[in-house]
Amino acid sequence: QSALTQPASVSGSPGQSITISCAGTTSDVGTYNLVSWYQHHPGKAPKLIIFEVTKRPSGVSSRFSGSKSGNSASLTISGLQAEDEATYYCCSYAGLVPFAVFGGGTQLTVL
Amino acid sequence: QVQLQESGPGLLKPSETLSLACSVSGGSASSSNYYWGWVRQSPGRGLEWVGSVYYNGDTQYNPSLKSRVTVSITTSKNQFSLKLSSVTAADTAVYYCARHGGAVDFDSWGRGTLVSVSS
Repeated sequence: QSALTQPASVSGSPGQSITISCAGTTSDVGTYNLVSWYQHHPGKAPKLIIFEVTKRPSGVSSRFSGSKSGNSASLTISGLQAEDEATYYCCSYAGLVPFAVFGGGTQLTVL
Repeated sequence: QVQLQESGPGLLKPSETLSLACSVSGGSASSSNYYWGWVRQSPGRGLEWVGSVYYNGDTQYNPSLKSRVTVSITTSKNQFSLKLSSVTAADTAVYYCARHGGAVDFDSWGRGTLVSVSS
């Protein structure tokens, strides 16, 4: 069982918006504003798309946005495109032990 | 742009020790701004952080693997390494090396290397 809980799958049509949740605890997401999100296409390296809850690395589309409330974080993708179809993972700092914890991943299907 | 490249055996027998190296190019493993870590993905499962090392040799390990894992760094060679002892089939996975700052901002990744454990 992953330390952070994500829905197994979400889907949306092109142009729509979707939100992926990432449920943690007071030991990780709830205490630290150190949540990151990754886009993972099969056979490729994961790509950082959100860090420190809301920040986007240079070159990442503004269609990706992150937020946090209490012990849960969320990733929103607006204006869905076919190329967004991938698995998305959240990750949180969890203190010196266990340091980094990932969610189980959410498969996004663009209908 | 930093690039990372994993290397090491792709097939092991149960009880053997997994040894992987990650070569860093376009950046310095001596940087105090980053950790250098390993993340794995077992077949059909999600990402799992394995462990990380700081430029000065300080390490952090996943508690579930801590008794079997060693991550080390050789700044003179601009590379870092992973050793995982007493492997079983459950350790079969794609192993990625990655750079991370800000604690969990894994911003650069290797392409990953598949390690299979089978008798």
